[in-house]
Amino acid sequence: KQEVTQIPAALSVPEGENLVLNCSFTDSAIYNLQWFRQDPGKGLTSLLLIQSSQREQTSGRLNASLDKSSGRSTLYIAASQPGDSATYLCAHIGSNYKLTFGKGTLLTVNP
Amino acid sequence: EAGVTQSPTHLIKTRGQQATLRCSPISGHTSVYWYQQALGLGLQFLLWYDEGEERNRGNFPPRFSGRQFPNYSSELNVNALELEDSALYLCASSSRRYQETQYFGPGTRLLVL
Repeated sequence: KQEVTQIPAALSVPEGENLVLNCSFTDSAIYNLQWFRQDPGKGLTSLLLIQSSQREQTSGRLNASLDKSSGRSTLYIAASQPGDSATYLCAHIGSNYKLTFGKGTLLTVNP
Repeated sequence: EAGVTQSPTHLIKTRGQQATLRCSPISGHTSVYWYQQALGLGLQFLLWYDEGEERNRGNFPPRFSGRQFPNYSSELNVNALELEDSALYLCASSSRRYQETQYFGPGTRLLVL
């Protein structure tokens, strides 16, 4: 069974701090890995997509890395802001051609 | 460019009834995916339609079904509703079968009483 695990489940930080969210997966044959943001009761917003041939992607204050050999991805958020508060989900498309999601990390950035 | 749209935004049904959820993909996208986000269970893959055909199905009973129309919009039907079907149902679309980003709609929140 393919699994995606996200650690920590919840994280609370003061504004301005740099932080790292972790994601691990068991399927070594992934095609890509995505990081999403979900605000309460809302749909998903794609943040970054890393193709299996890539090591990292950057967008503004966000940087995501992918290490297929160890089955890990990290999302780095620089200079966190209260508006970054949300649930962050990682997901991969693997050999079964469907997105498999982790349960997410609930991030709270305190002013 | 309009994003993925879903209707209705909220739906309240009683046990045993049927629910129909609708999704319109981004213009030019041919694949539509359905996901269920139930409380405490996380997002789970339901169905994938591409070019009008069902391509993949998650671990859900047959009372979850759907279809994709010639204009690539899609319907998700849930028959014989059970209380545990209460969830946020998300639709996503993509322009290629699996390597492109899936763009998600705002979801339909289904409540089964």
